[in-house]
Amino acid sequence: SQTIHQWPATLVQPVGSPLSLECTVEGTSNPNLYWYRQAAGRGLQLLFYSVGIGQISSEVPQNLSASRPQDRQFILSSKKLLLSDSGFYLCAWRHGTGGRWSYEQYFGPGTRLTVT
Amino acid sequence: SQQGEEDPQALSIQEGENATMNCSYKTSINNLQWYRQNSGRGLVHLILIRSNEREKHSGRLRVTLDTSKKSSSLLITASRAADTASYFCATDAGGNNRLAFGKGNQVVVIP
Repeated sequence: SQTIHQWPATLVQPVGSPLSLECTVEGTSNPNLYWYRQAAGRGLQLLFYSVGIGQISSEVPQNLSASRPQDRQFILSSKKLLLSDSGFYLCAWRHGTGGRWSYEQYFGPGTRLTVT
Repeated sequence: SQQGEEDPQALSIQEGENATMNCSYKTSINNLQWYRQNSGRGLVHLILIRSNEREKHSGRLRVTLDTSKKSSSLLITASRAADTASYFCATDAGGNNRLAFGKGNQVVVIP
């Protein structure tokens, strides 16, 4: 069965510090991968998605970046955090094209980021 | 951009009652999905309805889709305290690998 991991679970960082959040998926190959941010009491905002290694699509211009160095690893980074970067960050995966076809997304447990 | 817009935003009901929430969207879709999120957790997929379907059931869940009105509803029958969560609709326009999520409905089921 497939599982998705995110770490850390919680993070408190000062303004201007760097950020690295990691997401890994097990039990599947060539998944589509997604980073979302959820502000308190709000819906999900898609930040980045990737359909393959090194392929990143950015949805919203901001001071965040994403990388996919391996098939099942997705990293969200920032060189200098802003107060507005605080939120709940969720990673998700979906079966890519080919093989089993599935439209639904599967979410990780999330990372609660507080920028102080 | 966020397409789904759920209505109402918050719902408080007694255990055993039914809970209904609605979602509207603006563009053509391939399918529409509903997810549940318990407080502080990731989202869990509940049910998917394709654009050529009008109604779908899964356990105590019933989803309807009206593509002419660009709207969907999620009905939870015989609610339980464990159904307390936020519920999100998400639209899949097809061909772009992305889902557009709504703002979510918070449902509180009182035991």
